[in-house]
Amino acid sequence: GAVVSQHPSRVICKSGTSVKIECRSLDFQATTMFWYRQFPKKSLMLMATSNEGSKATYEQGVEKDKFLINHASLTLSTLTVTSAHPEDSSFYICSAHLRDRGLKDTQYFGPGTRLTVL
Amino acid sequence: GESVGLHLPTLSVQEGDNSIINCAYSNSASDYFIWYKQESGKGPQFIIDIRSNMDKRQGQRVTVLLNKTVKHLSLQIAATQPGDSAVYFCAESSGYSTLTFGKGTMLLVSP
Repeated sequence: GAVVSQHPSRVICKSGTSVKIECRSLDFQATTMFWYRQFPKKSLMLMATSNEGSKATYEQGVEKDKFLINHASLTLSTLTVTSAHPEDSSFYICSAHLRDRGLKDTQYFGPGTRLTVL
Repeated sequence: GESVGLHLPTLSVQEGDNSIINCAYSNSASDYFIWYKQESGKGPQFIIDIRSNMDKRQGQRVTVLLNKTVKHLSLQIAATQPGDSAVYFCAESSGYSTLTFGKGTMLLVSP
């Protein structure tokens, strides 16, 4: 249980184009999903918190107009990198929040999306 | 908290040894802790968690120890195998859901 998928797993795009990444919780409903960015050999950096049916909450320094987040349903959140530039190249990872019956809050992660902007 | 370094700390062990990976956290209000394993090119995988009302929790081949006095968390892996080679992250949470990740430790297991 608690499987999270991401699509695509890899994407290469030209500078100036927009890229959409999907995050799905496959066997549970997630009212909250999170988007992270990870540079090589570094830890995960939280970009934003995505709540179903409301606007995302962005971390300090993350441009909300650059990284558009939509959480349209309890199983799907999307991250769109708009007008991508080479510095946006990174590994983007989503997670879905699951609160179990023991009231523990655990995040389960997707497999990540490698974005390369040429 | 943990400082951002240029290189991941690395722990090298022989297959069959026990491994201990350490993590210091900074927020005394954190009440929930998780260890994740991340293999190259993949997302983090949940290993084990612990609440602040406990100081030890065991799973299959893994044990997490929590010392709230010194804000220290450790992950012990028994009989380490080559498949355990990965980067291990601790994460802490206080209240609802948002996690703060440590900088990670790379575990290298040689046969």
